[in-house]
Amino acid sequence: QVQLVQSGAEVKKPGASVKVSCKASGNTFTNSYLHWVRQTPGQGLEWMGIINPSAGSTSHAQKFQGRVTMTRDTSTSTVYMELSSLRSEDTAVYYCATEGSSSWFGNWGQGTLVTVSS
Amino acid sequence: EIGLTQSPGTLSLSPGERATLSCRASQSVSSSYLAWYQQKPGQAPRLLIYGASSRATGIPDRFSGSGSGTDFTLTISRLEPEDFAVYYCQQYGSSPLTFGQGTKVEIK
Repeated sequence: QVQLVQSGAEVKKPGASVKVSCKASGNTFTNSYLHWVRQTPGQGLEWMGIINPSAGSTSHAQKFQGRVTMTRDTSTSTVYMELSSLRSEDTAVYYCATEGSSSWFGNWGQGTLVTVSS
Repeated sequence: EIGLTQSPGTLSLSPGERATLSCRASQSVSSSYLAWYQQKPGQAPRLLIYGASSRATGIPDRFSGSGSGTDFTLTISRLEPEDFAVYYCQQYGSSPLTFGQGTKVEIK
């Protein structure tokens, strides 16, 4: 079973960017698509996008068009999610999660709290 | 986008009782691509059910899922103390993937 370890909490000012990392253990990094999901008090759980760690291809929710970038580093089994033009509504816990045989999420990272505040 | 509405918002029950949680979709979920998760405070969600009715690895058989189309149900046959938590449904039949707003199962 793959384990996902995320980077630590961040505090950012409005308009800034944040980059969250998610490191996968084991040698299954390129075998499972990885998703980003965030959780806010107001919106609950919200899917942001998906990355294929093998090919590097991505797809994201229309809501985050132009603001989210997902990348990966196969040498370190790490994926990254960068969100730009931050606003207060982006304050949330951001999770990475691997999918199973379809897009349900069997393994989750521990979450990264991102706080956007002036 | 498929909207998911969970009911009730809060369920107050005692240990040993049966819990029935509902998840209704705004349009049909293809191939019963619906999952259920349990979340406790300070923790990531934990997968319970996928494919509407398949239990994830290690999930006790007191948890069961059913339904198709637009109506899905998660049943906990006899509540154990560790089952008091928030439960979410998620559809993965069409993009964007979406979640319900959650049902909190609390101790009565």
